[in-house]
Amino acid sequence: GAGVSQTPSNKVTEKGKYVELRCDPISGHTALYWYRQSLGQGPEFLIYFQGTGAADDSGLPNDRFFAVRPEGSVSTLKIQRTERGDSAVYLCASSKHPRTGVHTEAFFGQGTRLTVV
Amino acid sequence: TQLLEQSPQFLSIQEGENLTVYCNSSSVFSSLQWYRQEPGEGPVLLVTVVTGGEVKKLKRLTFQFGDARKDSSLHITAAQPGDTGLYLCAGERDDKIIFGKGTRLHILP
Repeated sequence: GAGVSQTPSNKVTEKGKYVELRCDPISGHTALYWYRQSLGQGPEFLIYFQGTGAADDSGLPNDRFFAVRPEGSVSTLKIQRTERGDSAVYLCASSKHPRTGVHTEAFFGQGTRLTVV
Repeated sequence: TQLLEQSPQFLSIQEGENLTVYCNSSSVFSSLQWYRQEPGEGPVLLVTVVTGGEVKKLKRLTFQFGDARKDSSLHITAAQPGDTGLYLCAGERDDKIIFGKGTRLHILP
């Protein structure tokens, strides 16, 4: 499909384990966002990439969270030493143009539901 | 501190009624977007408003951006069960899109 693809769709892991969540954006989209959404809440901003670089990572909750986008396309969100409080749906979005001064639509994936037991 | 406050958080009304959802902030945004999210899906953009005082219509949905570009409203006329979902407002600021907590709307047939 041509949409944003996130894998896995569901991930159950034990407390203390390491997890990687993958996002495959729409081809040609330069901007990529990661959000975290708890049940009944709106998405919470984590990090924003423009190309390969993290333009803003101010939303990452602590140093257990890290994200990369080495070739400016696929991105991986990495969580070390997972805690039960990390359980949430992790959403990825991409948009076509650089954000500055251009108002464009962000397209979201279906998310990865992470459960830490 | 929540940058964007949405109200009400929950709304359950009968089919055919009208409703308004509000999105308020003390901050100015370069644009404000409204999304709708279904269970198990990512949010889908409904509209973007850019100019202070701007009004956009999408069938039975009317979106308004405040004159000072700090707040917005979504008005639905003659609500239908298919309008049920989570409605999110999001502000664009410093190249980030920041979301409110959402309004969960339930339309009873």
